[in-house]
Amino acid sequence: EAEVAQSPRYKITEKSQAVAFWCDPISGHATLYWYRQILGQGPELLVQFQDESVVDDSQLPKDRFSAERLKGVDSTLKIQPAELGDSAMYLCASSLVLGQGGDTQYFGPGTRLTVL
Amino acid sequence: AQSVTQLDSQVPVFEEAPVELRCNYSSSVSVYLFWYVQYPNQGLQLLLKYLSGSTLVKGINGFEAEFNKSQTSFHLRKPSVHISDTAEYFCAVSDAGGSNYKLTFGKGTLLTVNP
Repeated sequence: EAEVAQSPRYKITEKSQAVAFWCDPISGHATLYWYRQILGQGPELLVQFQDESVVDDSQLPKDRFSAERLKGVDSTLKIQPAELGDSAMYLCASSLVLGQGGDTQYFGPGTRLTVL
Repeated sequence: AQSVTQLDSQVPVFEEAPVELRCNYSSSVSVYLFWYVQYPNQGLQLLLKYLSGSTLVKGINGFEAEFNKSQTSFHLRKPSVHISDTAEYFCAVSDAGGSNYKLTFGKGTLLTVNP
C-alpha cells in the first residue's frame, strides 16, 4: 500500500539554527498538507498545496517558516531560525484531488522536532 | 470558522467493554466529519468519515459513528474494545461547501484499554 514518506523522523536542534523537513506524498496525489501537532493537541494546518501552488498558508508563521513544492511532487518545510516553541510533531499529508469534498487525507509518520 | 470539541481527554476502559468517544462541532455551514486514530509516534489513520446520506457510518477495526445534526455531534463507538485499540483518537471537521476543505481537529481523546 502506498504511503506518505517523511524524513527525518526525529530532529534535535538548538534555537536559532535552521531545520528542514522533507515529504514525499503518495504518487498521483495533487494536494499536499503540512500540519504542526503540539504535544497533547490536535494537528493544525500550516500550509496546503495544490500541485505546486499554495492554496492556504494563513497559519504559517512566514517570518521564520517557508514551504515549497517546486515540481508539484515532494515538498520541503523549513524553519529559520528555530525557536523553543517550535518543538512539535510536523505531519505531512496528501490527498488525491482538491475540490473533491471529503477527500481522505493520508498522513505520513511525522517528524518530531525538539528545539533546545 | 469551525471548531471541534472532544469532551473527554482520556477514556480508560477494560478489554471487551463497549466505548464511546464524544465529539461535538460548531459550524455555520454544512460539514464533513472525520475520525482519525494515532498510535504512538505515528501519523494519523482514517477510521471513518461522514459526507452525506446515512447518519450511521461504519469504519475500520469495528468502529462506527453517528452524525446527529440537531445536536451537532459525531460520537465514535465500538461495542467491544481490544488492547490494540489503545491510541489517541481525533475528531475533525471540514467545510462541505468551501474551496479547500481544510481539516479542523479536536484536541484528541486518549483511549486506554486495560486487560
